Amino acid sequence: ETGVTQTPRHLVMGMTNKKSLKCEQHLGHNAMYWYKQSAKKPLELMFVYSLEERVENNSVPSRFSPECPNSSHLFLHLHTLQPEDSALYLCASSQAQGAHEGEHEQFFGPGTRLTVL
Amino acid sequence: AQTVTQSQPEMSVQEAETVTLSCTYDTSESDYYLFWYKQPPSRQMILVIRQEAYKQQNATENRFSVNFQKAAKSFSLKISDSQLGDAAMYFCAYRSALYGNKLVFGAGTILRVKS
Repeated sequence: ETGVTQTPRHLVMGMTNKKSLKCEQHLGHNAMYWYKQSAKKPLELMFVYSLEERVENNSVPSRFSPECPNSSHLFLHLHTLQPEDSALYLCASSQAQGAHEGEHEQFFGPGTRLTVL
Repeated sequence: AQTVTQSQPEMSVQEAETVTLSCTYDTSESDYYLFWYKQPPSRQMILVIRQEAYKQQNATENRFSVNFQKAAKSFSLKISDSQLGDAAMYFCAYRSALYGNKLVFGAGTILRVKS
């Protein structure tokens, strides 16, 4: 375990449902991330929160809505999804500050396997 | 924008043998970090090894080492004495040293280890 947990681990939902994915980190980090992992494609960065503020939104459709209530928790609210949104959704965390921010390793959660019917 | 390319969708290696996974990247920046992440089946992604672009010396972590060729923008991972537990998807990733927290990933290479 890397100190980043995600729930649920598996989720099946219809296109009209509303659900939320939860991520929690126990590492004292102050940056959190949502990635989408689809088969045979590179991981796609969806959102970045640094110090609880959204600092990056990579042209993600509005049917995905992130929320970061504090530095330890990150949510991804889902509504009216499409079948092509089926994927593994990964959460990650890291330290956000430092002279060389790139030094700070991202720690990943186990992911939520989402299937949209 | 930076891109990362892993040209080998799948690789196989015999247990105890050595295998090299390829990665190339494209960037106009001079200061950055490169990573190899390992994602075992149904398990969490973990960092295998990291290379700072300003360092000429190749990073090494036990049986894992890299061949970093900055001019060629190449960053390959060598796994020596392969073990069954090395079987996983391996991702190469790039991160700017100065701009943001974004990791840019390659598409991954599935490594199969034969006993």
